[in-house]
Amino acid sequence: GQNIDQPTEMTATEGAIVQINCTYQTSGFNGLFWYQQHAGEAPTFLSYNVLDGLEEKGRFSSFLSRSKGYSYLLLKELQMKDSASYLCAVRAPSGNTPLVFGKGTRLSVIA
Amino acid sequence: EAGVAQSPRYKIIEKRQSVAFWCNPISGHATLYWYQQILGQGPKLLIQFQNNGVVDDSQLPKDRFSAERLKGVDSTLKIQPAKLEDSAVYLCASSLEGTSGQETQYFGPGTRLLVL
Repeated sequence: GQNIDQPTEMTATEGAIVQINCTYQTSGFNGLFWYQQHAGEAPTFLSYNVLDGLEEKGRFSSFLSRSKGYSYLLLKELQMKDSASYLCAVRAPSGNTPLVFGKGTRLSVIA
Repeated sequence: EAGVAQSPRYKIIEKRQSVAFWCNPISGHATLYWYQQILGQGPKLLIQFQNNGVVDDSQLPKDRFSAERLKGVDSTLKIQPAKLEDSAVYLCASSLEGTSGQETQYFGPGTRLLVL
C-alpha cells in the first residue's frame, strides 16, 4: 500500500524561509513530485526528485532521502502569493503508474 | 501551448441525478488521468487512459462512475446516479506518454461538483 504524510497547515512570515516535510511508505518508489495548488485552482508542477539530494529551482528547493522515505520542500524569501496548498506525490515503480498524493499542506504567508 | 481544458467548471445537481464532465488534454499527450479531490485532501486517481485504452481503473466506483476516451483524445467522466459523497473537484490531467518516472502530469482547472 501507499501512505504519504505531510503537515496539514503551516504559517510563515513574508520574507522568511519555510520547510514543508513529507514522509512516505510505499510499495516501491519511482520518483517524488511536489505540486502547488492555489485555492480553487489546479495543481501546478514544482519539482521532481528521484535520486537522493537537493534540487534547487529559484526560490524553491526540494530534498529527497530514499532510505528514510523523506522529502522536504524549501521555500525561501516567502511572498504573499506563496500562500497555497503544497502537495507531495509519489510514483510507484512502474513508470506507467499514476501518482499517489498526500493530503497537502496549506501554507499561509502573513505580513 | 494550450493547457488541459475541462468543462463545465461548476455543477450543482441533486442526489440520484446524472452528470458528465468533459476533458480535452494537451495536444499530443497520450496519457489522460481523472482524479477526484475532496475538500482538504489530495487528488485521488479514478482512472488512467493510455491513448484510448484503460491502464488503471482500480479505484473507480464502477457501479456509478464510467469514463471513456473513444478516439484517444477527449474524455468524458460520468456519474449516474450521484450521491452526496461525490461532491468534490474532478481534475483531469495529461502527460506525454506516462511511461517515464520523471514525466510531469499537467492538470486542468477542474470541475467543482456539488451534490445536494
